[in-house]
Amino acid sequence: DAMVIQNPRYQVTQFGKPVTLSCSQTLNHNVMYWYQQKSSQAPKLLFHYYDKDFNNEADTPDNFQSRRPNTSFCFLDIRSPGLGDAAMYLCATSRDSGSWGEQYFGPGTRLTVT
Amino acid sequence: SQQGEEDPQALSIQEGENATMNCSYKTSINNLQWYRQNSGRGLVHLILIRSNEREKHSGRLRVTLDTSKKSSSLLITASRAADTASYFCATDAGGNEKLTFGTGTRLTIIP
Repeated sequence: DAMVIQNPRYQVTQFGKPVTLSCSQTLNHNVMYWYQQKSSQAPKLLFHYYDKDFNNEADTPDNFQSRRPNTSFCFLDIRSPGLGDAAMYLCATSRDSGSWGEQYFGPGTRLTVT
Repeated sequence: SQQGEEDPQALSIQEGENATMNCSYKTSINNLQWYRQNSGRGLVHLILIRSNEREKHSGRLRVTLDTSKKSSSLLITASRAADTASYFCATDAGGNEKLTFGTGTRLTIIP
């Protein structure tokens, strides 16, 4: 089945130790998104790619970086995780901006920072 | 500031009853979407309603949109235990590929 896959589902990292979360999609969608969601809060958009064009949200910390080497894969790099970065990280895709359509979400990666 | 805010924050009802959740937003939109999130999982798209539509149905779901009041409601009829989840509205203010999510309603269905 076409889907959005996130690995790992659970990630534990140490304070200050770089960590990479991965997302892949078999939907061949143009747009890929990374959201941060803390407990009982709404998902907060960190950045998104429209094809290879990277779009950073103004309030996304510099500590968060992203790479999209091809249509299928997108990575979230946290260079120096702090305790406040513990959250669920959600990857999503959508076809393109013109349709303003639905987003397809992966199951999320829950990040713990010790 | 957040585009969508939902009301109530939490709702508990008996199985079989109807559940209604409301969403308010601040600026003009092209469409409004509703998503469900089971605990610890990703979001699942439920329904999309465009700004020129007033009501939309999908199975046991009914969504209304009042652009003059900048509000939407999601009605789940004949609720089931499996409907227990958080429900988020999301709007595309700005007319681009981004969505802004509301604060969510946590729905609990009591068997």
